[in-house]
Amino acid sequence: AQTVTQSQPEMSVQEAETVTLSCTYDTSESDYYLFWYKQPPSRQMILVIRQEAYKQQNATENRFSVNFQKAAKSFSLKISDSQLGDAAMYFCAYRTSYSGGGADGLTFGKGTHLIIQP
Amino acid sequence: EAGVAQSPRYKIIEKRQSVAFWCNPISGHATLYWYQQILGQGPKLLIQFQNNGVVDDSQLPKDRFSAERLKGVDSTLKIQPAKLEDSAVYLCASSLDSPTEAFFGQGTRLTVV
Repeated sequence: AQTVTQSQPEMSVQEAETVTLSCTYDTSESDYYLFWYKQPPSRQMILVIRQEAYKQQNATENRFSVNFQKAAKSFSLKISDSQLGDAAMYFCAYRTSYSGGGADGLTFGKGTHLIIQP
Repeated sequence: EAGVAQSPRYKIIEKRQSVAFWCNPISGHATLYWYQQILGQGPKLLIQFQNNGVVDDSQLPKDRFSAERLKGVDSTLKIQPAKLEDSAVYLCASSLDSPTEAFFGQGTRLTVV
């Protein structure tokens, strides 16, 4: 079974600064997907960024980028120019590769609470 | 495009009572998931439907939890009887028949007293 570990229960950063959230995972699969989701107090999980394991290039979405180290099974999220609206819980998640309609639910870490200081 | 709709938003019940949650996925999404998120933890998959068939219910406590997805659209998740440890947020998500992204609803916060 796959596991996802987020070792930082809480992180704090000054507005406009850069912060990196850590995530490690364990799997025996060679092809899979990794995600970062944001969960504000409204509780709705919002996709921030995704990475396909077969792609060596790190994914980037505006101020959000990842550092994907497949051999080390590490998947960190970097948020540049932090904004007050970035404050939320951030979850790292793993999903097996497409299996033709088979089981492909997400496995989540415990989350990191990100605080943005004005 | 309308998102995933869930109701109710909040529910408080006494232990041993029963409760049901409803989810309406995004139109056309064949895959529907129910997750349980206990306070301070990440969501845990309870059950996955592909159209109206169950794909994965390995983590569903079948002695008290049940779920159905009639006609491959809406879904209900039921707990009977509820225990204190069932207090959590229940999230519904849906996706096209694709591995890339699941869209989540706002969840139902259940408190069992």
